[in-house]
Amino acid sequence: DARVTQTPRHKVTEMGQEVTMRCQPILGHNTVFWYRQTMMQGLELLAYFRNRAPLDDSGMPKDRFSAEMPDATLATLKIQPSEPRDSAVYFCASGYDRDYNSPLHFGNGTRLTVT
Amino acid sequence: GDSVTQMEGPVTLSEEAFLTINCTYTATGYPSLFWYVQYPGEGLQLLLKATKADDKGSNKGFEATYRKETTSFHLEKGSVQVSDSAVYFCAPRSYNTDKLIFGTGTRLQVFP
Repeated sequence: DARVTQTPRHKVTEMGQEVTMRCQPILGHNTVFWYRQTMMQGLELLAYFRNRAPLDDSGMPKDRFSAEMPDATLATLKIQPSEPRDSAVYFCASGYDRDYNSPLHFGNGTRLTVT
Repeated sequence: GDSVTQMEGPVTLSEEAFLTINCTYTATGYPSLFWYVQYPGEGLQLLLKATKADDKGSNKGFEATYRKETTSFHLEKGSVQVSDSAVYFCAPRSYNTDKLIFGTGTRLQVFP
């Protein structure tokens, strides 16, 4: 069964430190999404890529967050510097573009705690 | 823009009770509709989908029918189990976008 793989599963860091989260999309998928989940806001779309090109990052705080796809098998989400309000679960999802009948496939998330 | 409204949770039921979780949406064009489920500590998993009006998606005893006239996609199950306890998300996907738009999720708690 093909899966989206996210690392690390858990990350605890101090305020001001850099955090990097990684995602390996399902082989052959050409869209990648980053979502953040909190109790207060639910699931928020932070950024997404199609064919490795960033298409929408309007949900992302630009001053501290950055998202990249250095190659088709790796997507990264960085926070620098991190703040306590960034504590959340960050999910990566992948899928196919143009086939809107097909679902997105989610990883198990990175639980980030910033103290 | 596209949006989803789900019923507030938590929904608390006894085992074998009937479940309905309401979902209504606004979306451009003719969206595909999805229900996802999230078990504790895990990511979202596809539960079922429907891609055109009057289609019924079904999986694991859950069902939802695509109602274009009422822009609704309510989730139902005839007899819930303790193992169904999870958070359920309704999500439309419009034909002209790659994105899934999620509702706030509805937490289901089933007690023995």
